[in-house]
Amino acid sequence: GAVVSQHPSWVICKSGTSVKIECRSLDFQATTMFWYRQFPKQSLMLMATSNEGSKATYEQGVEKDKFLINHASLTLSTLTVTSAHPEDSSFYICSARSRTGGGQPQHFGDGTRLSIL
Amino acid sequence: AQRVTQPEKLLSVFKGAPVELKCNYSYSGSPELFWYVQYSRQRLQLLLRHISRESIKGFTADLNKGETSFHLKKPFAQEEDSAMYYCALSGSQGAQKLVFGQGTRLTINP
Repeated sequence: GAVVSQHPSWVICKSGTSVKIECRSLDFQATTMFWYRQFPKQSLMLMATSNEGSKATYEQGVEKDKFLINHASLTLSTLTVTSAHPEDSSFYICSARSRTGGGQPQHFGDGTRLSIL
Repeated sequence: AQRVTQPEKLLSVFKGAPVELKCNYSYSGSPELFWYVQYSRQRLQLLLRHISRESIKGFTADLNKGETSFHLKKPFAQEEDSAMYYCALSGSQGAQKLVFGQGTRLTINP
């Protein structure tokens, strides 16, 4: 149980294009989803917290207009990297948890490797 | 501020030897601590959490509030334990976002 699917797993695109990454909880309802960014040989850095039906909460230093997050249902959150540039190239990982409180762990997707040419 | 420190980026031990991956944290409230593991070419997955007080794959971790530590231990390492290990902290309030340590790459030598 508690499977999180992330799509696509790898995307290469030209500079200036927008890229959408999907994160789905397959067998549970995720009231909260999280988006992380991971640079090579570094740890996961939280970008934003996405709550179903409300605006995402962004971490300090993360551009809201650059990284658009939508959490329209209890099983789907999307991250759109708008007007992507080479410096946006990274590994993006989503996670989901079934409910707040009570120490519920986060379950992670496989990640999306984004390469901007 | 929440902070997690894993002092060792790399740790190498021989098969059958004990292993301890260190984790220290900084948090003003009552934290929830987790260990996540990432095997080669696989997703990050939960190994164990302090509130469960369980042993998974022979690993245990005890929360020491006095020393603000949550070290991961296993008495006899196995080759399949080779992986990247992340210690993570979640606050007890709000959205309970995770703060990760830098990770420790554990290599078990035959």
